[in-house]
Amino acid sequence: KQEVTQIPAALSVPEGENLVLNCSFTDSAIYNLQWFRQDPGKGLTSLLLIQSSQREQTSGRLNASLDKSSGRSTLYIAASQPGDSATYLCAVRLISGGYNKLIFGAGTRLAVHP
Amino acid sequence: IAGITQAPTSQILAAGRRMTLRCTQDMRHNAMYWYRQDLGLGLRLIHYSNTAGTTGKGEVPDGYSVSRANTDDFPLTLASAVPSQTSVYFCASSDSGMTEAFFGQGTRLTVV
Repeated sequence: KQEVTQIPAALSVPEGENLVLNCSFTDSAIYNLQWFRQDPGKGLTSLLLIQSSQREQTSGRLNASLDKSSGRSTLYIAASQPGDSATYLCAVRLISGGYNKLIFGAGTRLAVHP
Repeated sequence: IAGITQAPTSQILAAGRRMTLRCTQDMRHNAMYWYRQDLGLGLRLIHYSNTAGTTGKGEVPDGYSVSRANTDDFPLTLASAVPSQTSVYFCASSDSGMTEAFFGQGTRLTVV
């Protein structure tokens, strides 16, 4: 059974710091991995999608890497800002039981303080 | 409409009542999904649809039903609500099963 783990569960950093969020998954037979951001009481906003054949994706201050063989992905946030405060979720897509689905981690709750 | 729209935003429902959560997307995506999000349990897939006219069961389908009469709409029905169905429900869509998934803003449902 695929399990997705995110470490740390919570993180508090001062503004301007570079930080890394970690995501690990137990089954390397994934099709892609997607990072989301969720603000309190809101829906999920897609940040980056990495296909299984890719090693990394970049969008602005965000960089996500994927090492499928070791079952790991990292989300790097450069020069963090208070507006980055949110919960960050990673999800892997796989085929299981005849359908494709996203398996989510529990998330990392990030607080960036001025 | 831009993206995925869910309605209602929130609802308090008496146990035993029937309720339909609405989801509409304007991106012409083939695949649509319903998730529930619960504290400590994360996001879990309830039902999915790979294309209009087809639906399938996810991880936690009991007590829920869906239909996919057309590409844009994917309603989720609780036939007889129970308190354990208190949750935040998210609808999502993707162009295919393998592409980027987009989520609606969620429906917060409380069953009392």
